[in-house]
Amino acid sequence: GAGVSQTPSNKVTEKGKYVELRCDPISGHTALYWYRQSLGQGPEFLIYFQGTGAADDSGLPNDRFFAVRPEGSVSTLKIQRTERGDSAVYLCASSLANSPGGEQFFGPGTRLTVL
Amino acid sequence: KQEVTQIPAALSVPEGENLVLNCSFTDSAIYNLQWFRQDPGKGLTSLLLIQSSQREQTSGRLNASLDKSSGRSTLYIAASQPGDSATYLCAGRGSGTYKYIFGTGTRLKVLA
Repeated sequence: GAGVSQTPSNKVTEKGKYVELRCDPISGHTALYWYRQSLGQGPEFLIYFQGTGAADDSGLPNDRFFAVRPEGSVSTLKIQRTERGDSAVYLCASSLANSPGGEQFFGPGTRLTVL
Repeated sequence: KQEVTQIPAALSVPEGENLVLNCSFTDSAIYNLQWFRQDPGKGLTSLLLIQSSQREQTSGRLNASLDKSSGRSTLYIAASQPGDSATYLCAGRGSGTYKYIFGTGTRLKVLA
């Protein structure tokens, strides 16, 4: 496929469990973003990767959240000891380049429900 | 802290009307701005991107402008159609930061 893909599309887990959410960006896109969207709100920035490195992780809410992008393509968002407040749609976006301000293309999201 | 306000929060119009959706940033130093639409339960679809050297972009029936002196952007939709029904979101990024800040969106319903 040509677009950004995210798996799984839905994830239901129990409080305290560990989850991994995956993002496959558009081929060749060096910039990758993770966002979190709660119902009725706009997406909230979590982390930005340029290549393999996290250039800005200031949006990660606490140390239970971590993201990696080891080969500069696929990224995984990892959430430890999940809490009910983590329930949201997690969106990934990629961009060809961040300068002079590349257009972001979003995936369909992963809906996370923590029971 | 940058905050984004989108007005109106919701809008319902008959088919064929021309519409203006508004987006304003508390910090007017916006480096680039992007408008998206989001259908229920779906991801975001990019509509228009206004880059740092630009003030306006057009695509089909859509026109977006950015006034950098005031930090305000408008999305103009001409001759609205029922298929335009969706939530419209704006997002801006300041110079020197990678972080995009989103508004809460305008929920648009175009009635046939």
